[in-house]
Amino acid sequence: EDQVTQSPEALRLQEGESSSLNCSYTVSGLRGLFWYRQDPGKGPEFLFTLYSAGEEKEKERLKATLTKKESFLHITAPKPEDSATYLCAVQVNSGYSTLTFGKGTMLLVSP
Amino acid sequence: DGGITQSPKYLFRKEGQNVTLSCEQNLNHDAMYWYRQDPGQGLRLIYYSQIVNDFQKGDIAEGYSVSREKKESFPLTVTSAQKNPTAFYLCASSTYTTSEQETQYFGPGTRLLVL
Repeated sequence: EDQVTQSPEALRLQEGESSSLNCSYTVSGLRGLFWYRQDPGKGPEFLFTLYSAGEEKEKERLKATLTKKESFLHITAPKPEDSATYLCAVQVNSGYSTLTFGKGTMLLVSP
Repeated sequence: DGGITQSPKYLFRKEGQNVTLSCEQNLNHDAMYWYRQDPGQGLRLIYYSQIVNDFQKGDIAEGYSVSREKKESFPLTVTSAQKNPTAFYLCASSTYTTSEQETQYFGPGTRLLVL
């Protein structure tokens, strides 16, 4: 069974304090790993797709990396507006396949 | 502007009542999805549709029904058989391919509450 585990469940940072969120996965074959940002009461907003181990993608203060077992979302010098829940999802390499989501990491950045 | 719309934003259901959540997209995507989100849980797939007039059950389809009569629309009905319907419902869409990654884009969600 495909599994996605995100850690920590919640993270509180001071503004400017860099950190990383983790997404570990167990799948038969990875087609893609997706990161989303979700604000309270809103739908998830797409951030990144990673396809193969060693790949990295950046967007403003966020950088996503991928290994064969996990992905990290690095947040450099976060600002309060980065506060949100970050969701990770995987798609397996088997014909047409749906996404399996982790439970998310709730990030709070204090000024 | 291309995107996904969901209505209503809030919906109240009385016991024994069926209610329908609307989802419309103008992204020209073939595939559409419905997810349920509960506090502390990941998104769970209810139903998905890859093409018009065809759909498949997800992990938690019991108590729900869908239709896909138009490419742009994928309404979800929460039936009286769904005993715990209070949740945040999310609709998504994507291109459809069996060989490439398919990014799913989400609507703003509908919060369903039971009276």
